[in-house]
Amino acid sequence: GENVEQHPSTLSVQEGDSAVIKCTYSDSASNYFPWYKQELGKRPQLIIDIRSNVGEKKDQRIAVTLNKTAKHFSLHITETQPEDSAVYFCAAPSSGGSYIPTFGRGTSLIVHP
Amino acid sequence: DTGVSQDPRHKITKRGQNVTFRCDPISEHNRLYWYRQTLGQGPEFLTYFQNEAQLEKSRLLSDRFSAERPKGSFSTLEIQRTEQGDSAMYLCASSQSSGRVQYFGPGTRLTVT
Repeated sequence: GENVEQHPSTLSVQEGDSAVIKCTYSDSASNYFPWYKQELGKRPQLIIDIRSNVGEKKDQRIAVTLNKTAKHFSLHITETQPEDSAVYFCAAPSSGGSYIPTFGRGTSLIVHP
Repeated sequence: DTGVSQDPRHKITKRGQNVTFRCDPISEHNRLYWYRQTLGQGPEFLTYFQNEAQLEKSRLLSDRFSAERPKGSFSTLEIQRTEQGDSAMYLCASSQSSGRVQYFGPGTRLTVT
């Protein structure tokens, strides 16, 4: 099955700084990589995703990059704000059509005002 | 609210009791997933349905767990003879048939005393 490693487990930044979270995966057939944000006591919410036919995708202050050769993908948040503080999870779904995701263990991002 | 809903939001039960949770997916979504999330971890896949058919179950889903989706709409997850190790957040998610973009419900937090 898929194995997903996520780093770092915690990340503390000052407001306005950039934050980068990295994930590696094991199944070279995986072709879809979502990122979820989970605020304390709330449900995970999809914030951005990328498919394997592109190397980068941006949505305002958030971007995701994918390196299929190295089997890793990263979440980049620029100009961080206190409301970005949350736990972020990467996922790499299984191939074969079921798209059952294996989630990383999460990164707790703290943005200090 | 047209999102995924779950009921109850919190459940406290004594060891050995049976509990049942309900998930109502987004109405046009034919895939429904159940996950378990413990503190400091990402969601772990339990099982999923395509319409009323249960297509895959995780090894995490012991024989004390059973899930149904009888009419292809809402789903129930039952845990029999609960154990303290069952204490967790149980999340439901739904998606369209592609399975890629999953929308999570708010979860049911189970505490077994």
